[in-house]
Amino acid sequence: GQQVMQIPQYQHVQEGEDFTTYCNSSTTLSNIQWYKQRPGGHPVFLIQLVKSGEVKKQKRLTFQFGEAKKNSSLHITATQTTDVGTYFCAGTNAGGTSYGKLTFGQGTILTVHP
Amino acid sequence: NAGVTQTPKFRILKIGQSMTLQCTQDMNHNYMYWYRQDPGMGLKLIYYSVGAGITDKGEVPNGYNVSRSTTEDFPLRLELAAPSQTSVYFCASSPRDSATSPLHFGNGTRLTVT
Repeated sequence: GQQVMQIPQYQHVQEGEDFTTYCNSSTTLSNIQWYKQRPGGHPVFLIQLVKSGEVKKQKRLTFQFGEAKKNSSLHITATQTTDVGTYFCAGTNAGGTSYGKLTFGQGTILTVHP
Repeated sequence: NAGVTQTPKFRILKIGQSMTLQCTQDMNHNYMYWYRQDPGMGLKLIYYSVGAGITDKGEVPNGYNVSRSTTEDFPLRLELAAPSQTSVYFCASSPRDSATSPLHFGNGTRLTVT
């Protein structure tokens, strides 16, 4: 079945440093979504990428979707303590019935030291 | 607008007991999902529904049952609780399938089976 691998599992940074998490799928994806989960909270949708090679920005966050639509990345510039949490990617398999088939990566837990 | 509401927030069960995790949404979303989250494992899909009266198995359905009698409600039933079902359970909804629209998550139910 479809697998979505996310690395690294943990990342500790000093406030002001940059952070990147990577997401790789074993199959071609029709879309990739990114979610953020604060400690003790629930996942909150950040963004969706659909097009090959797509790049989207949200303030200090930059999201990329690979040309082959099998990988994605989230880059945070100059981290702040409010960025603390777990970042998940989630993809839907291209081809076939897509609903109900959103597969989540294991998540990257980000810790920011002030 | 309450969004997705889950009850209870916490529950401790003894092995073999049964319980129902409640989930209701007031956004008139057709699609609803149940995920479980274990440390370092991301979110695994248990069951999903594309509309009232229609449900289907996800990645990890064993030991669970669901029903969808109304658009708003999507309860998850555990018949014979086992320690392996200790987890955090999230209900989510979306207006369209997950390939085209983001998931809205509830606050979660933390379940411990001892």
